[in-house]
Amino acid sequence: QVQLQESGPGLVKPSQTLSLTCSVSGGSISSGSYFWIWIRQPAGKGLEYIGRIYSSGTTNYNPSLQGRVTISLDTSKNQFSLKLSSVTAADTAVYYCARDPGGSGPGVWGQGTLVTVSS
Amino acid sequence: DVVMTQSPLSLPVTLGQPAAISCRSSQSLVSGDGNTYLNWFHQRPGHSPRRLIYKVSNRDSGVPDRFSGSGSGSDFTLKISRVEADDVGIYYCMQGTHWPRTFGQGTRVEIK
Repeated sequence: QVQLQESGPGLVKPSQTLSLTCSVSGGSISSGSYFWIWIRQPAGKGLEYIGRIYSSGTTNYNPSLQGRVTISLDTSKNQFSLKLSSVTAADTAVYYCARDPGGSGPGVWGQGTLVTVSS
Repeated sequence: DVVMTQSPLSLPVTLGQPAAISCRSSQSLVSGDGNTYLNWFHQRPGHSPRRLIYKVSNRDSGVPDRFSGSGSGSDFTLKISRVEADDVGIYYCMQGTHWPRTFGQGTRVEIK
């Protein structure tokens, strides 16, 4: 059974880059027809789909974050990562990594990690 | 972006009674491959969301048959036939047809 676990700093200063890693166990990120994705949720608010990377390395980003976001794969470690640059307080949220088969939406989620942007 | 509009936003329910949540999209969710990618998620407080229903009406493994999804085009419904205490939390619809993927605002279900 595939499991995902987010890791990374819980506090990031404004204007810096937020970096998170999602470790995948129970399956390979380089096999199968899945997208590996990031979703975020500000406290008390709804869900925002940040972007995704296919097992081939192809990426798609939410245009609202285009230019600031990069998602990458590290197949040697069976991990994928999120980088979000020039962060502000509006980027404070719980960040989830997940596995998404495509249109059917994420069926496997990590537990989420809170990232606070503050000086 | 496709706007997903849920109603109601708050739903107090009595244990054992039915409940229904509506989700409407600003564009048709019928994909070019013929599928309609409307999915439902449930999030308990302090937990990650869990997918309940995918492609309008397909229940995920382990999801009780008390949950059912229906609809077409841009109008969809999630129904709970008999609400149990475990069903409290926030329900989100999500469209997987258009980019970027978008979610509804969420419907909070609570027990009266």
